[in-house]
Amino acid sequence: GNSVTQMEGPVTLSEEAFLTINCTYTATGYPSLFWYVQYPGEGLQLLLKATKADDKGSNKGFEATYRKETTSFHLEKGSVQVSDSAVYFCALSDPPGGSYIPTFGRGTSLIVHP
Amino acid sequence: GAVVSQHPSRVICKSGTSVKIECRSLDFQATTMFWYRQFPKQSLMLMATSNEGSKATYEQGVEKDKFLINHASLTLSTLTVTSAHPEDSSFYICSAISGRARTNHPYNEQFFGPGTRLTVL
Repeated sequence: GNSVTQMEGPVTLSEEAFLTINCTYTATGYPSLFWYVQYPGEGLQLLLKATKADDKGSNKGFEATYRKETTSFHLEKGSVQVSDSAVYFCALSDPPGGSYIPTFGRGTSLIVHP
Repeated sequence: GAVVSQHPSRVICKSGTSVKIECRSLDFQATTMFWYRQFPKQSLMLMATSNEGSKATYEQGVEKDKFLINHASLTLSTLTVTSAHPEDSSFYICSAISGRARTNHPYNEQFFGPGTRLTVL
């Protein structure tokens, strides 16, 4: 079956530091990959996505590249801000032919200090 | 992006009572809605999928008589936790898409509600 593995948190950084949150996956087909962000007390928001190998998703300074050879989709940001403090979820969906409901990782909490 | 609301945002109830949580899509017709449960510091667990006009499809291990789901219209789904107990305390999140689930369609982005914190005393 499909699964997503994320690095355990919390990840604690100072403002303007470089961020990497690792995500690897297993899937039976050719999944689409996603990063969602959950701010305190809120639901999830789609941050970025990539639908095929070597695609790079980007949004709000965050980037992630779909690496089929390493089955990875690591999230990066060059300079984090305090407002980036949130929980980040890596996810995959596996169309066509299967349900495209996302499979989520456990989430990684990011804490950014001023 | 599209907006999904949930009501209430938090609820505290006594053991044995039933609690209804509403999920509304505010600016699009949600033919499919999902209900998730999130435990502290854990990921989202999909509970059920409901397509408008048909019965909800529950994930393995989720009691359909315990968690009643009604997709009443194209903009409203409700989750009723019947005879709630302390172990039902959790964060419940709904999401909605404009396509139909479990078909061979390209991925449609899910729009998530803000969640409902349920505490059962």
